[in-house]
Amino acid sequence: KAGVTQTPRYLIKTRGQQVTLSCSPISGHRSVSWYQQTPGQGLQFLFEYFSETQRNKGNFPGRFSGRQFSNSRSEMNVSTLELGDSALYLCASSPPGPNTDTQYFGPGTRLTVL
Amino acid sequence: GDSVTQMEGPVTLSEEAFLTINCTYTATGYPSLFWYVQYPGEGLQLLLKATKADDKGSNKGFEATYRKETTSFHLEKGSVQVSDSAVYFCALGGSARQLTFGSGTQLTVLP
Repeated sequence: KAGVTQTPRYLIKTRGQQVTLSCSPISGHRSVSWYQQTPGQGLQFLFEYFSETQRNKGNFPGRFSGRQFSNSRSEMNVSTLELGDSALYLCASSPPGPNTDTQYFGPGTRLTVL
Repeated sequence: GDSVTQMEGPVTLSEEAFLTINCTYTATGYPSLFWYVQYPGEGLQLLLKATKADDKGSNKGFEATYRKETTSFHLEKGSVQVSDSAVYFCALGGSARQLTFGSGTQLTVLP
């Protein structure tokens, strides 16, 4: 079974631009979560989607948003980019059933804001 | 709120040495506990998990036991290899599918 895939793997943007990152979960997984990883703040939870609905949100400004499609694929968007948004953005999916709290991560998208 | 405190790194060991990375947590209820590993340039890989007190998770020679009395989930391996060099993250999970991570421990194993 294929793992979580994220595209693109690398992005370079300038301040003020916006960016959209994509995540395809493991087949059969309906929950998708997003995390931001930076050297200073570590791994921080952004939001979680299930059946096209955001169920949980971390403490990030409204510039960070996401959505999920009917096929469980998810996108996250960051508007008005700031230098501090440079980070590795990780997507994770969770299976249904008894292991629903276990998350499987993709390779990440490395975003650099200049 | 929930939090995870992880042993500060970096940790440098010789091949075949014994590894312990300490992890303690603060949480309400009975969270699941996880260890993830991150190799350079990659995402996080699930290493092992435990879902209740006294559970032992194990994988690839790594072990960790869920100790509720000491709120700990220390990672151990009896004999490390150069290929184990990576960053290790302890995490706790709740019902909301939001993982709370420790700060990570960089492990370097020398031949």
